Amino acid sequence: AQSVTQLGSHVSVSEGALVLLRCNYSSSVPPYLFWYVQYPNQGLQLLLKYTTGATLVKGINGFEAEFKKSETSFHLTKPSAHMSDAAEYFCAVTPGGATNKLIFGTGTLLAVQP
Amino acid sequence: GAVVSQHPSRVICKSGTSVKIECRSLDFQATTMFWYRQFPKQSLMLMATSNEGSKATYEQGVEKDKFLINHASLTLSTLTVTSAHPEDSSFYICSASFPSGAYEQYFGPGTRLTVT
Repeated sequence: AQSVTQLGSHVSVSEGALVLLRCNYSSSVPPYLFWYVQYPNQGLQLLLKYTTGATLVKGINGFEAEFKKSETSFHLTKPSAHMSDAAEYFCAVTPGGATNKLIFGTGTLLAVQP
Repeated sequence: GAVVSQHPSRVICKSGTSVKIECRSLDFQATTMFWYRQFPKQSLMLMATSNEGSKATYEQGVEKDKFLINHASLTLSTLTVTSAHPEDSSFYICSASFPSGAYEQYFGPGTRLTVT
């Protein structure tokens, strides 16, 4: 069975500082991995995804994530935080194959301090 | 592209009544739609998966007679909460995907349901 663990339900950084949001997954088959962002009272917006190929994927708004199979991780990073990055971030995995059902982590709320 | 809308964005209903939430894919044909429920400050919980023209597949613990899902066309799925109770108050989010979409789901903006 697949699962996702996001370490740190709350992360606070200063504006301009590095953002690092952690995600570890468990999957018995090669996973497809996603990061979504949710602003208050809104749906989810895809930041980036890994399916196959290059393990370092770049997404929108300057975010990127690296798939590390040996560490079963897919951490999200951004070199310099902006106030507008304050939101809830969800990591998700799908086993692929016949289903594209997403399994979400519990989310990390990112706060950006001025 | 790949825009999903939901209607209404907010709804308040009285206990015992039913409420319908619509999910539409605006610029693509969604062969599969998903319905999620999100409690405050929590993650998304998948309620059911629906494929156009067939019955929805409900996750364990979700009452299919209470949460009626219809996916009558490739662009529309509806979730009807029947005989709503205050504990059904939640944020409901739908998503849609299409076969060539690399398993990506496109999410609607959500519907805030309050049952009084």
